[in-house]
Amino acid sequence: KQEVTQIPAALSVPEGENLVLNCSFTDSAIYNLQWFRQDPGKGLTSLLLIQSSQREQTSGRLNASLDKSSGRSTLYIAASQPGDSATYLCAVPSGGYQKVTFGIGTKLQVIP
Amino acid sequence: DTAVSQTPKYLVTQMGNDKSIKCEQNLGHDTMYWYKQDSKKFLKIMFSYNNKELIINETVPNRFSPKSPDKAHLNLHINSLELGDSAVYFCASSQGGTGPGELFFGEGSRLTVL
Repeated sequence: KQEVTQIPAALSVPEGENLVLNCSFTDSAIYNLQWFRQDPGKGLTSLLLIQSSQREQTSGRLNASLDKSSGRSTLYIAASQPGDSATYLCAVPSGGYQKVTFGIGTKLQVIP
Repeated sequence: DTAVSQTPKYLVTQMGNDKSIKCEQNLGHDTMYWYKQDSKKFLKIMFSYNNKELIINETVPNRFSPKSPDKAHLNLHINSLELGDSAVYFCASSQGGTGPGELFFGEGSRLTVL
């Protein structure tokens, strides 16, 4: 059974800082890993999808890396802005190719 | 044009009632899902349909009955609502294949059972 852990659970940083969010998973036989952000009262917005054959993906100020062998992924946010404040979740497939398990998320607050 | 849309966005109802949530996706995806997000914000899969066929059915009470009339629609009917059913229910879709494709979510339907 896939288990996904995200550390830290919450993070508060001043605007402009670079930061790293961590995601670890127990079953390394994954097809891909996806990072989402969720704003309060809203749905999940896909940020980045990394295929198992890739080591990283970049979109703007976001960079996600994947190390399957160690069961880890990181989401790097450069030059953080108050608009980045949200909960960030990682999701990995498990136990059947269409079944995706989510971490509990990291709640990020960027202080102006 | 919304990719994954769910209705209604909010439901407030009494224990014992029956309610339905509808979901539609216009992305041409083969696979649709229902997820439940509880008060602790934990997101857990409930059901998944691929081309109208049920492929994932988690340990969910049989008061919950999904129905997929076509691959663009997935509805969720809940009978005899209980307090513990209060949560946000998210619909999602992805393009199936060798593995799960990128997931796209609706805005959620917040159910409150009184």
